[in-house]
Amino acid sequence: EAGVAQSPRYKIIEKRQSVAFWCNPISGHATLYWYQQILGQGPKLLIQFQNNGVVDDSQLPKDRFSAERLKGVDSTLKIQPAKLEDSAVYLCASTRAGPQYFGPGSRLTVT
Amino acid sequence: DQQVKQNSPSLSVQEGRISILNCDYTNSMFDYFLWYKKYPAEGPTFLISISSIKDKNEDGRFTVFLNKSAKHLSLHIVPSQPGDSAVYFCAASERGTYKYIFGTGTRLKVLA
Repeated sequence: EAGVAQSPRYKIIEKRQSVAFWCNPISGHATLYWYQQILGQGPKLLIQFQNNGVVDDSQLPKDRFSAERLKGVDSTLKIQPAKLEDSAVYLCASTRAGPQYFGPGSRLTVT
Repeated sequence: DQQVKQNSPSLSVQEGRISILNCDYTNSMFDYFLWYKKYPAEGPTFLISISSIKDKNEDGRFTVFLNKSAKHLSLHIVPSQPGDSAVYFCAASERGTYKYIFGTGTRLKVLA
């Protein structure tokens, strides 16, 4: 069974630029998550999808972050415009039920 | 307010000995708990879970203990191996939400 795929793995941008991350979950996993992990901290949930509907986006900074999962499969997370404090690893995870399975993450550096 | 806490940022253990990683939570509605292991430049990998109807779950060298009255869980690794050196995160969720709150992690170093 293929794992969660994410791209790009690394991205460096200047502040005020935009960036998009892509995630393809494990086949058959209806629930998809985006997390932000800042160095030295645990993953922080940004948004949770069930199929293509949003379950929880209470911690998503909606003035600059957006996410979609149009066909209930893969998802994109966009940041526009980026700030220095957005430098982090963006993790995608999926589950059918029970434990989540994570992708390798996308490391964003904002200069 | 941090609902899931791992108060030890790091832990060093000799190879072959027991590693004990601790996690405390504040939300009494949490009823499902997980441990993840994370190597550098990789995503977290699921290790073991426990639901609130149990107080112990074992999988090979890994055992998780849950003390609901103390709102505390621990992960025991016996015997510890150098390959266990990683950052360990505990996570918790309320029944049926599949919304997980993570602790800040404990870096385990197993010395050969």
